[in-house]
Amino acid sequence: GQQVMQIPQYQHVQEGEDFTTYCNSSTTLSNIQWYKQRPGGHPVFLIQLVKSGEVKKQKRLTFQFGEAKKNSSLHITATQTTDVGTYFCAGNTGGFKTIFGAGTRLFVKA
Amino acid sequence: GAVVSQHPSWVICKSGTSVKIECRSLDFQATTMFWYRQFPKQSLMLMATSNEGSKATYEQGVEKDKFLINHASLTLSTLTVTSAHPEDSSFYICSARLPRLAGDWEQFFGPGTRLTVL
Repeated sequence: GQQVMQIPQYQHVQEGEDFTTYCNSSTTLSNIQWYKQRPGGHPVFLIQLVKSGEVKKQKRLTFQFGEAKKNSSLHITATQTTDVGTYFCAGNTGGFKTIFGAGTRLFVKA
Repeated sequence: GAVVSQHPSWVICKSGTSVKIECRSLDFQATTMFWYRQFPKQSLMLMATSNEGSKATYEQGVEKDKFLINHASLTLSTLTVTSAHPEDSSFYICSARLPRLAGDWEQFFGPGTRLTVL
């Protein structure tokens, strides 16, 4: 079945350092979303990417969708302690079903 | 953004009892809602897709007689965990999609319900 792999599982950074998490799908995706979940909270929608090669930015966050629409990345520039949480990618193949990656837990040390 | 509520936020029950969890889209209509299960420090596992006015679509491995889903209106879906056992203890999260322009959409999650079965 469809799988969405996400790496790394954990990332410890010093405040101010950059952070990147990667997602790879076993099948071509129609779109991919990114979510952030704070400890004890629920996932919060960050963005959706639809087009091949698409790049979107939200302040210090940069999201990319691969040319083949099978991989995606989230890059955070100059991390802050408020960036702490788990970042999930979630892929959709065109139907209703959205498959989540395992998530990357980001720890930021002040 | 749109708001999805869940009730209760947490519940503790005895083994063998049934628990109902409600998911409501407060400011939009959702013909489709989703139920997820999340174990501590793990990802979200899609359990089922809840369709208004029709039967839910369950993912492989999810017992439909165990996890009863009812989507009676465009703003309400319920998940009933029947004859709950300790292994059913988990964080249950619902979500709903809000269509945007040009076929785009956003997915909003409820705050989750933490179920503990003793």
